[in-house]
Amino acid sequence: GESVGLHLPTLSVQEGDNSIINCAYSNSASDYFIWYKQESGKGPQFIIDIRSNMDKRQGQRVTVLLNKTVKHLSLQIAATQPGDSAVYFCAEMEDYKLSFGAGTTVTVRA
Amino acid sequence: EAQVTQNPRYLITVTGKKLTVTCSQNMNHEYMSWYRQDPGLGLRQIYYSMNVEVTDKGDVPEGYKVSRKEKRNFPLILESPSPNQTSLYFCASSPLGRNSPLHFGNGTRLTVT
Repeated sequence: GESVGLHLPTLSVQEGDNSIINCAYSNSASDYFIWYKQESGKGPQFIIDIRSNMDKRQGQRVTVLLNKTVKHLSLQIAATQPGDSAVYFCAEMEDYKLSFGAGTTVTVRA
Repeated sequence: EAQVTQNPRYLITVTGKKLTVTCSQNMNHEYMSWYRQDPGLGLRQIYYSMNVEVTDKGDVPEGYKVSRKEKRNFPLILESPSPNQTSLYFCASSPLGRNSPLHFGNGTRLTVT
């Protein structure tokens, strides 16, 4: 079946460096994509979203890139901070159904 | 503060003892949903509701019931819990319009022995 997945389960980043978290999706009918951050003991927290008619969207220190040709989504975090340590999920939406990838655990090294 | 509130945060119970996990949102959202999160399996949808008195099965509905009698509340009911329902559960809500992100509660960790 079609699913959303992440390329790497873990990512270790030096504090101050930029982080790139990747996600591949296979449902070409998905028209909306979201990145969530989940810290220990908390629910997923919305970071940024992008519609399928866009290829880039920027927020505060975060940028999401969407490449529909290869069905690839990425989240870039600038100047990674210790508070960015968390599990990051990409999610795709078709109609009202949201499907999640398995997540990438980001660890920030001091 | 806009939020999704789940109770309890932690629950330990025994096989077969009925339980209810409550979920309430104060954002006037039409759409509400329950997910379970298990290691290696990510978040899987159990049930969802697009409005009052409208509920539908998600990907893993077996062993669960829900109700939506009021817009703000969406309780998850386990009539006869089993150990394979030991998991971390999340309630979420959003406006009904397309391209709206879900807002999640902080989770309920359920252990069934």
